[in-house]
Amino acid sequence: KAGVTQTPRYLIKTRGQQVTLSCSPISGHRSVSWYQQTPGQGLQFLFEYFSETQRNKGNFPGRFSGRQFSNSRSEMNVSTLELGDSALYLCASSLGQLAGGQETQYFGPGTRLLVL
Amino acid sequence: SQQGEEDPQALSIQEGENATMNCSYKTSINNLQWYRQNSGRGLVHLILIRSNEREKHSGRLRVTLDTSKKSSSLLITASRAADTASYFCATDGGNTGKLIFGQGTTLQVKP
Repeated sequence: KAGVTQTPRYLIKTRGQQVTLSCSPISGHRSVSWYQQTPGQGLQFLFEYFSETQRNKGNFPGRFSGRQFSNSRSEMNVSTLELGDSALYLCASSLGQLAGGQETQYFGPGTRLLVL
Repeated sequence: SQQGEEDPQALSIQEGENATMNCSYKTSINNLQWYRQNSGRGLVHLILIRSNEREKHSGRLRVTLDTSKKSSSLLITASRAADTASYFCATDGGNTGKLIFGQGTTLQVKP
């Protein structure tokens, strides 16, 4: 099976802009979770989508949003970018039979976002 | 905030030696997982151990879990240069619905 894919792999934006990241899960996986990784805060959970519905949400401002499509592909959007949003954004997919964190998560290679 | 701490933060060993990393967490859990990350790339799943298990093996990897001490350890035996990476433990924090990661241990295996 093909692994989790994320596009784009690298992105440079300026403050105030918005960005959309895409994630295609492993075939058959219905849950997609998003994580932000920074040197200072480490890996932090953003949100999880299952069957086109947000099942869980982390402690991030409303500028961070996401959605999931009927084919389980997911997108996350960050509006009004700030310098502190520079990070590696990782998505992970799982079967979704259990709530996020209780199943093995399969991670994509990440999208590295730089905000100038 | 992170679930817990990993110890040591950095570890440097010679090829062929064993590497042990420890992870502590704060809340009750259903399971604990270990992941590897190479140079800021995606995470690779290594092992998942459930709260009712005490030890699990996978190839050169051995994971132990002590729920009474809220701690876990990852042992890599006969390490190789290719094992050089960052290793993260992650718990589900009970029923939080998410993975909660530690800060990670950076392992360097010298050839």
